[in-house]
Amino acid sequence: EPEVTQTPSHQVTQMGQEVILRCVPISNHLYFYWYRQILGQKVEFLVSFYNNEISEKSEIFDDQFSVERPDGSNFTLKIRSTKLEDSAMYFCASNFAGRSYNEQFFGPGTRLTVL
Amino acid sequence: GQQVMQIPQYQHVQEGEDFTTYCNSSTTLSNIQWYKQRPGGHPVFLIQLVKSGEVKKQKRLTFQFGEAKKNSSLHITATQTTDVGTYFCAGPRDYKLSFGAGTTVTVRA
Repeated sequence: EPEVTQTPSHQVTQMGQEVILRCVPISNHLYFYWYRQILGQKVEFLVSFYNNEISEKSEIFDDQFSVERPDGSNFTLKIRSTKLEDSAMYFCASNFAGRSYNEQFFGPGTRLTVL
Repeated sequence: GQQVMQIPQYQHVQEGEDFTTYCNSSTTLSNIQWYKQRPGGHPVFLIQLVKSGEVKKQKRLTFQFGEAKKNSSLHITATQTTDVGTYFCAGPRDYKLSFGAGTTVTVRA
């Protein structure tokens, strides 16, 4: 069964450093998402992406964040200058029909630890 | 903006007992989705409810969508240790899913 994959599984970085989190969505999916989950808290929407542009973003997704689909398979989340409060699990998700009207398939997540 | 609230936050259940988790939205929803996250895992889609008053069953899990399409519930009968995890409801709005805070279920044998 097709799966969303994410790398790395765990990323440790120093405050102020840039990180890039990588995702490979399911191949025939058209809509891509990033969510984050601070330990013990709910899953929070960051951004959705379709047709090589951002469809929607939350207030969390400020100028320090960017997303990119550099090729036909990868979908990346970049944090330019990490802060301590960016420490969280970051989930990538994808689906075919978009507009959140169909189930989203989540990847296993990348745990980001900012020191 | 749209807010999705979920209660209870924690549910500690004796194996074999039933329990229910409730979800309420501040706005009318086009549909509601339920996800399960096992400890250390990622959210996994369980079901989507679309119609007002809709009831769907998956084995021991019963999902209901309110008549006004602003609330939903998940009822689990005869809880098993495999039911351990956090159950999230999520309301879609345009291109985002707004998740509730989740109900974290623990089971005592």
